[in-house]
Amino acid sequence: DIQMTQSPSTLSASVGDRVTITCRASQSISSWLAWYQQKPGKAPKLLIYKASSLETGVPSRFSGSGSGTEFTLTISSLQPDDFATYYCQQFHYWTFGQGTKVEIK
Amino acid sequence: EGQVVESGGGLVQPGGSLRLSCAASGFSFSSYWMRWVRQAPGKGLEWVANIKEDGSQKQYVDSVKGRFTISRDNTKNSLYLQMNSLRAEDTGLYSCARERGGDGAFDIWGQGTLVTVSS
Repeated sequence: DIQMTQSPSTLSASVGDRVTITCRASQSISSWLAWYQQKPGKAPKLLIYKASSLETGVPSRFSGSGSGTEFTLTISSLQPDDFATYYCQQFHYWTFGQGTKVEIK
Repeated sequence: EGQVVESGGGLVQPGGSLRLSCAASGFSFSSYWMRWVRQAPGKGLEWVANIKEDGSQKQYVDSVKGRFTISRDNTKNSLYLQMNSLRAEDTGLYSCARERGGDGAFDIWGQGTLVTVSS
């Protein structure tokens, strides 16, 4: 099975900061990776698909990059609405990363 | 824009059974793979099971193989998860999700139904 390792597990940041979350796959998954945002008590929301494609309606401050085994989600300027938990997901067997909680510094 | 709504969760004793349902609306249900995903309290997301558009292919995470069965009724726009031999570690919020064709992303999620396995 392909394992996904997401880091960091928790990230403290301020409004306006540039934030980067990393997801590493135990073997190559090409670009078959998505990123989701989840707020407490809410369903996950798709942000990025195929590693770098921005989902319709998602603000352009979110971006994804990478291929093979290493991927990143970047928030260029953190906004108050962005404090949430973020998950990566690969599609060879639909495994999610452990999640990264973005907290207010 | 479609939506999915889960139901059927509740409190069940270890070894018991539950059947979850997911009602879809606003999209052509029979044209999409559907998934179940669960989240234990305070934990991350875990994919549980998949079913192909016509029900001909099904996949499960190892921890539920032989105990859970995913099914669908395209005439009723509904997805199901039959859960048998439930264990404490099956406790969590169970959500259904639509897999968008072409890129594999889960683009429509429900709010989930809570399953608690406890004596």
